[in-house]
Amino acid sequence: DSGVTQTPKHLITATGQRVTLRCSPRSGDLSVYWYQQSLDQGLQFLIQYYNGEERAKGNILERFSAQQFPDLHSELNLSSLELGDSALYFCASSVGQGQNIQYFGAGTRLSVL
Amino acid sequence: SQQGEEDPQALSIQEGENATMNCSYKTSINNLQWYRQNSGRGLVHLILIRSNEREKHSGRLRVTLDTSKKSSSLLITASRAADTASYFCATDRGGQKLTFGTGTRLTIIP
Repeated sequence: DSGVTQTPKHLITATGQRVTLRCSPRSGDLSVYWYQQSLDQGLQFLIQYYNGEERAKGNILERFSAQQFPDLHSELNLSSLELGDSALYFCASSVGQGQNIQYFGAGTRLSVL
Repeated sequence: SQQGEEDPQALSIQEGENATMNCSYKTSINNLQWYRQNSGRGLVHLILIRSNEREKHSGRLRVTLDTSKKSSSLLITASRAADTASYFCATDRGGQKLTFGTGTRLTIIP
C-alpha cells in the first residue's frame, strides 16, 4: 500500500459529461501529481500541485482542471468528456523537495461511452 | 511527449534467468528512476540513480547510467514469477516533474 488513496476506482460515464476524480496523498507529502495512462499515449504527466499551488503543467487539456485543497487532497475535474478520454488516471504524491520519488495511487479507470 | 524510450518493448524469460531492459532519453537529466507497474495497478518506485552516479544496486536490481549516451539499464537477477510487470524509466531535470518512458513489459515464465 503506497498510502495514496484514489476514488473512485472505476467510473463509467457518457460523452459530454463531467466527472471528478479524488486523491488523498500520503501523510506528510505536499506535492500531488496527476497522470493519464492510455494504450496509445503511455503515461502522460498532466499537472502538479505543491502545498495548494500549481507548480508544473504538462499535457493537460483545457477541458481538464485540478486543484489542491488546504488539507492537501486534490481533485481532477474532467469535463465535456470524449471517447478518447477513456484511460487510467493516476495520482501520485511526494514530499516535494529533494529527490523526487513519487508514490502512486491505484488509479481511477475512466470509461467514456 | 515521452522523454524516454525503453527497449525492448516486451521481454519473456524463464524464471531464474536475468532480465535486462534499457532506457534512452533525450535531454540532460538530474536523476533517473525506475518504476514497476503490475497490470492495471499504480506504479511502484524501485530505484533512483543520480546523474553523477554510474551504477547502483538494490537487492536483485542493478541500474547503470551512462549520461554520455543518455541511456540507462535495469538488470533484474534471478528473476521470479512475481517480477512479471511493466517497467518504466523516469527522468527529471531538477524540477519536480517526472517524464516517463514507454515501458518494457516483462513476463517471467515459470
